[in-house]
Amino acid sequence: GESVGLHLPTLSVQEGDNSIINCAYSNSASDYFIWYKQESGKGPQFIIDIRSNMDKRQGQRVTVLLNKTVKHLSLQIAATQPGDSAVYFCAEMVQGAQKLVFGQGTRLTINP
Amino acid sequence: ETGVTQTPRHLVMGMTNKKSLKCEQHLGHNAMYWYKQSAKKPLELMFVYNFKEQTENNSVPSRFSPECPNSSHLFLHLHTLQPEDSALYLCASSQAPDLSSYNEQFFGPGTRLTVL
Repeated sequence: GESVGLHLPTLSVQEGDNSIINCAYSNSASDYFIWYKQESGKGPQFIIDIRSNMDKRQGQRVTVLLNKTVKHLSLQIAATQPGDSAVYFCAEMVQGAQKLVFGQGTRLTINP
Repeated sequence: ETGVTQTPRHLVMGMTNKKSLKCEQHLGHNAMYWYKQSAKKPLELMFVYNFKEQTENNSVPSRFSPECPNSSHLFLHLHTLQPEDSALYLCASSQAPDLSSYNEQFFGPGTRLTVL
Protein backbone atom coordinates (compact mmCIF):
# COMPACT_ATOMS: atom_id res chain seq x y z
CA GLY A 1 0.00 0.00 0.00
CA GLU A 2 0.96 3.64 -0.02
CA SER A 3 3.11 4.97 2.75
CA VAL A 4 5.26 7.98 3.23
CA GLY A 5 7.57 8.19 6.17
CA LEU A 6 10.36 10.26 7.62
CA HIS A 7 13.67 8.92 8.86
CA LEU A 8 14.03 11.36 11.78
CA PRO A 9 11.27 12.78 13.91
CA THR A 10 13.39 15.66 15.27
CA LEU A 11 16.35 17.62 13.99
CA SER A 12 18.31 20.37 15.75
CA VAL A 13 20.77 22.58 13.87
CA GLN A 14 22.72 25.70 14.63
CA GLU A 15 21.55 28.95 13.12
CA GLY A 16 23.38 29.51 9.87
CA ASP A 17 24.06 25.83 9.26
CA ASN A 18 22.47 23.80 6.51
CA SER A 19 19.82 21.20 7.33
CA ILE A 20 18.66 18.12 5.50
CA ILE A 21 15.31 16.47 6.10
CA ASN A 22 14.69 13.05 4.59
CA CYS A 23 11.60 11.21 3.48
CA ALA A 24 10.91 7.73 2.10
CA TYR A 25 7.91 6.80 -0.02
CA SER A 26 6.68 3.45 -1.22
CA ASN A 27 4.14 4.13 -3.95
CA SER A 28 6.06 3.84 -7.22
CA ALA A 29 3.05 5.32 -9.04
CA SER A 30 3.47 8.67 -7.27
CA ASP A 31 4.79 11.25 -9.66
CA TYR A 32 4.49 14.48 -7.76
CA PHE A 33 6.06 15.32 -4.42
CA ILE A 34 5.66 18.31 -2.15
CA TRP A 35 7.33 19.61 0.97
CA TYR A 36 5.18 21.50 3.45
CA LYS A 37 6.18 23.57 6.46
CA GLN A 38 3.87 23.80 9.45
CA GLU A 39 4.49 26.39 12.12
CA SER A 40 2.81 26.28 15.48
CA GLY A 41 -0.85 27.26 15.25
CA LYS A 42 -0.90 27.27 11.48
CA GLY A 43 -1.81 24.91 8.70
CA PRO A 44 0.77 23.33 6.38
CA GLN A 45 2.34 25.81 3.98
CA PHE A 46 3.73 24.83 0.58
CA ILE A 47 7.52 25.14 0.32
CA ILE A 48 8.60 23.43 -2.87
CA ASP A 49 7.51 20.65 -5.17
CA ILE A 50 9.11 18.33 -7.68
CA ARG A 51 7.80 16.11 -10.44
CA SER A 52 9.07 12.61 -11.02
CA ASN A 53 10.76 13.58 -14.29
CA MET A 54 13.22 15.68 -12.29
CA ASP A 55 15.79 14.75 -9.67
CA LYS A 56 16.54 18.19 -8.29
CA ARG A 57 14.76 21.48 -7.92
CA GLN A 58 15.92 24.63 -6.23
CA GLY A 59 14.03 27.44 -4.60
CA GLN A 60 15.04 30.28 -2.38
CA ARG A 61 17.37 28.67 0.19
CA VAL A 62 15.68 25.31 -0.33
CA THR A 63 16.52 22.39 -2.58
CA VAL A 64 14.53 19.21 -3.05
CA LEU A 65 16.21 16.06 -4.27
CA LEU A 66 14.35 13.06 -5.61
CA ASN A 67 15.88 9.60 -5.97
CA LYS A 68 13.31 7.38 -7.62
CA THR A 69 15.57 4.35 -7.56
CA VAL A 70 15.40 4.13 -3.79
CA LYS A 71 12.14 6.09 -3.42
CA HIS A 72 13.75 8.82 -1.37
CA LEU A 73 13.08 12.52 -1.11
CA SER A 74 15.05 15.14 0.77
CA LEU A 75 14.70 18.81 1.61
CA GLN A 76 17.82 20.87 2.06
CA ILE A 77 17.58 24.24 3.77
CA ALA A 78 20.60 26.47 3.44
CA ALA A 79 21.77 28.93 6.10
CA THR A 80 18.95 28.13 8.50
CA GLN A 81 17.25 30.97 10.31
CA PRO A 82 15.13 31.01 13.47
CA GLY A 83 12.04 31.34 11.29
CA ASP A 84 12.78 27.94 9.79
CA SER A 85 11.82 26.26 13.06
CA ALA A 86 8.73 24.21 12.24
CA VAL A 87 7.51 20.73 11.39
CA TYR A 88 8.28 19.70 7.83
CA PHE A 89 6.16 17.18 5.94
CA CYS A 90 6.71 15.46 2.66
CA ALA A 91 3.69 14.42 0.65
CA GLU A 92 3.14 12.45 -2.53
CA MET A 93 0.47 12.45 -5.18
CA VAL A 94 -0.40 10.76 -8.45
CA GLN A 95 -0.93 13.08 -11.43
CA GLY A 96 -4.54 14.07 -11.86
CA ALA A 97 -5.52 12.74 -8.46
CA GLN A 98 -6.30 14.78 -5.38
CA LYS A 99 -5.20 12.45 -2.64
CA LEU A 100 -2.11 13.77 -0.93
CA VAL A 101 -0.38 11.14 1.21
CA PHE A 102 1.64 12.77 3.96
CA GLY A 103 4.65 11.58 5.90
CA GLN A 104 4.93 11.65 9.66
CA GLY A 105 6.75 14.98 9.83
CA THR A 106 10.12 16.14 11.18
CA ARG A 107 10.41 18.87 13.77
CA LEU A 108 13.26 21.19 12.91
CA THR A 109 14.67 23.31 15.74
CA ILE A 110 17.16 26.09 15.08
CA ASN A 111 19.55 26.78 17.93
CA PRO A 112 20.93 30.33 18.29
CA GLU B 1 -2.55 34.26 5.23
CA THR B 2 -3.36 31.51 2.76
CA GLY B 3 -6.84 32.67 1.78
CA VAL B 4 -8.47 29.77 3.63
CA THR B 5 -10.16 30.56 6.93
CA GLN B 6 -11.55 28.17 9.52
CA THR B 7 -13.84 28.70 12.48
CA PRO B 8 -13.79 28.10 15.32
CA ARG B 9 -10.05 27.84 15.94
CA HIS B 10 -10.64 25.86 19.13
CA LEU B 11 -13.58 23.68 20.14
CA VAL B 12 -14.25 21.57 23.20
CA MET B 13 -17.27 19.30 23.08
CA GLY B 14 -18.81 16.43 24.96
CA MET B 15 -19.49 13.08 23.34
CA THR B 16 -23.23 13.79 23.10
CA ASN B 17 -22.88 17.27 21.59
CA LYS B 18 -23.49 18.30 18.00
CA LYS B 19 -21.18 20.92 16.56
CA SER B 20 -20.02 22.12 13.15
CA LEU B 21 -16.70 23.25 11.77
CA LYS B 22 -16.67 25.87 9.05
CA CYS B 23 -14.20 26.54 6.27
CA GLU B 24 -14.22 29.33 3.72
CA GLN B 25 -11.82 29.92 0.86
CA HIS B 26 -11.30 33.24 -0.92
CA LEU B 27 -9.11 31.92 -3.72
CA GLY B 28 -11.66 31.11 -6.39
CA HIS B 29 -10.92 27.40 -6.10
CA ASN B 30 -13.43 24.69 -6.92
CA ALA B 31 -12.09 21.82 -4.82
CA MET B 32 -12.14 21.62 -1.04
CA TYR B 33 -10.81 19.09 1.43
CA TRP B 34 -11.02 18.02 5.05
CA TYR B 35 -7.95 16.55 6.74
CA LYS B 36 -7.41 15.19 10.24
CA GLN B 37 -4.09 15.76 12.00
CA SER B 38 -3.59 13.83 15.20
CA ALA B 39 -0.49 13.53 17.33
CA LYS B 40 0.30 9.93 16.50
CA LYS B 41 -0.58 9.68 12.82
CA PRO B 42 0.37 11.44 9.63
CA LEU B 43 -2.02 14.01 8.26
CA GLU B 44 -4.99 12.04 6.88
CA LEU B 45 -7.34 12.99 4.08
CA MET B 46 -11.00 12.66 5.09
CA PHE B 47 -13.16 14.10 2.32
CA VAL B 48 -12.79 15.73 -1.09
CA TYR B 49 -15.34 17.93 -2.84
CA ASN B 50 -15.12 19.05 -6.45
CA PHE B 51 -17.62 21.62 -7.69
CA LYS B 52 -19.73 20.96 -4.55
CA GLU B 53 -19.88 17.21 -5.18
CA GLN B 54 -18.22 14.76 -2.82
CA THR B 55 -15.68 12.74 -4.77
CA GLU B 56 -13.81 11.03 -1.98
CA ASN B 57 -14.68 9.67 1.45
CA ASN B 58 -11.60 8.09 2.94
CA SER B 59 -13.49 5.55 5.08
CA VAL B 60 -14.53 8.22 7.56
CA PRO B 61 -17.02 7.19 10.31
CA SER B 62 -20.54 8.50 9.85
CA ARG B 63 -20.29 10.61 13.00
CA PHE B 64 -18.43 13.05 10.70
CA SER B 65 -20.77 14.52 8.10
CA PRO B 66 -19.42 16.99 5.53
CA GLU B 67 -21.45 19.57 3.66
CA CYS B 68 -20.41 21.74 0.74
CA PRO B 69 -23.16 24.24 -0.16
CA ASN B 70 -20.99 26.05 -2.70
CA SER B 71 -17.40 26.04 -3.93
CA SER B 72 -16.32 28.57 -1.32
CA HIS B 73 -17.71 26.98 1.81
CA LEU B 74 -17.22 23.64 3.48
CA PHE B 75 -18.63 22.36 6.74
CA LEU B 76 -17.91 19.36 8.91
CA HIS B 77 -20.83 18.40 11.13
CA LEU B 78 -19.87 16.48 14.25
CA HIS B 79 -22.16 14.21 16.25
CA THR B 80 -21.50 11.73 19.07
CA LEU B 81 -17.76 11.92 18.72
CA GLN B 82 -15.28 9.87 20.72
CA PRO B 83 -12.27 11.13 22.70
CA GLU B 84 -9.98 9.61 20.06
CA ASP B 85 -11.48 12.04 17.55
CA SER B 86 -9.65 14.85 19.32
CA ALA B 87 -7.31 16.31 16.72
CA LEU B 88 -6.56 19.30 14.52
CA TYR B 89 -9.00 19.40 11.62
CA LEU B 90 -7.60 21.13 8.58
CA CYS B 91 -9.43 22.43 5.57
CA ALA B 92 -7.71 22.95 2.22
CA SER B 93 -8.69 24.14 -1.23
CA SER B 94 -7.28 23.90 -4.73
CA GLN B 95 -8.27 24.06 -8.33
CA ALA B 96 -9.99 20.85 -9.33
CA PRO B 97 -7.45 18.71 -11.15
CA ASP B 98 -7.50 17.34 -14.62
CA LEU B 99 -5.47 14.36 -15.75
CA SER B 100 -2.48 16.48 -16.70
CA SER B 101 -2.29 18.75 -13.68
CA TYR B 102 -0.94 18.98 -10.20
CA ASN B 103 -2.82 21.53 -8.18
CA GLU B 104 -1.36 22.98 -5.02
CA GLN B 105 -3.55 22.66 -1.98
CA PHE B 106 -3.78 25.69 0.29
CA PHE B 107 -4.47 24.94 3.94
CA GLY B 108 -6.38 26.85 6.57
CA PRO B 109 -5.07 27.20 10.14
CA GLY B 110 -7.21 24.36 11.43
CA THR B 111 -9.69 23.82 14.25
CA ARG B 112 -8.25 22.26 17.37
CA LEU B 113 -10.98 19.86 18.57
CA THR B 114 -11.06 18.30 22.01
CA VAL B 115 -13.70 15.68 22.77
CA LEU B 116 -14.31 15.06 26.46
